[in-house]
Amino acid sequence: SQQGEEDPQALSIQEGENATMNCSYKTSINNLQWYRQNSGRGLVHLILIRSNEREKHSGRLRVTLDTSKKSSSLLITASRAADTASYFCVPSDSWGKLQFGAGTQVVVTP
Amino acid sequence: ETGVTQSPTHLIKTRGQQVTLRCSSQSGHNTVSWYQQALGQGPQFIFQYYREEENGRGNFPPRFSGLQFPNYSSELNVNALELDDSALYLCASSQGWTGQYEQYFGPGTRLTVT
Repeated sequence: SQQGEEDPQALSIQEGENATMNCSYKTSINNLQWYRQNSGRGLVHLILIRSNEREKHSGRLRVTLDTSKKSSSLLITASRAADTASYFCVPSDSWGKLQFGAGTQVVVTP
Repeated sequence: ETGVTQSPTHLIKTRGQQVTLRCSSQSGHNTVSWYQQALGQGPQFIFQYYREEENGRGNFPPRFSGLQFPNYSSELNVNALELDDSALYLCASSQGWTGQYEQYFGPGTRLTVT
């Protein structure tokens, strides 16, 4: 198993701006998942993107996956104060054990 | 709300004691995973139960053990508690192996060891 490395470690933006965070991993994956954690709603699954997919959308979220570069990105458009949270990328190999990294801490200010 | 519940919410124990944490999985889910999350860090995988059998374990000593019941609810047991065991313990359920499906997390149990 492996864990993703999120970059940047911290991000501070204003409401209405877009937020982009990146993730790198080391070995082949079956899929990659993004999770969000804040004090109000706990740890929540955002998007699962499979290794044969390049892009996926969910509401204001857009995830890309580049398996040749072993990287993924999460874009949050038109951010809101409620998007303040830690974001984790979690790559998964065929075994399926998920390892979380330290995450990206996003702060959205009004 | 995910439908995954955990009990108790908070717990204070003394070093050397034993503790049992409980998790009810979301309806229709047959896989439960447990995680330990220390303050300021990401969750660390403890183990996974699939159809009542442990089928994967992280870097945790044997004093961390678990069970999954026929209704797919689960318990995490920790023996001989140490101060470093103080953390938020999260359980998550999914439709199958954790790598194939999204996981739904419970609110966690905050364990403090004094």
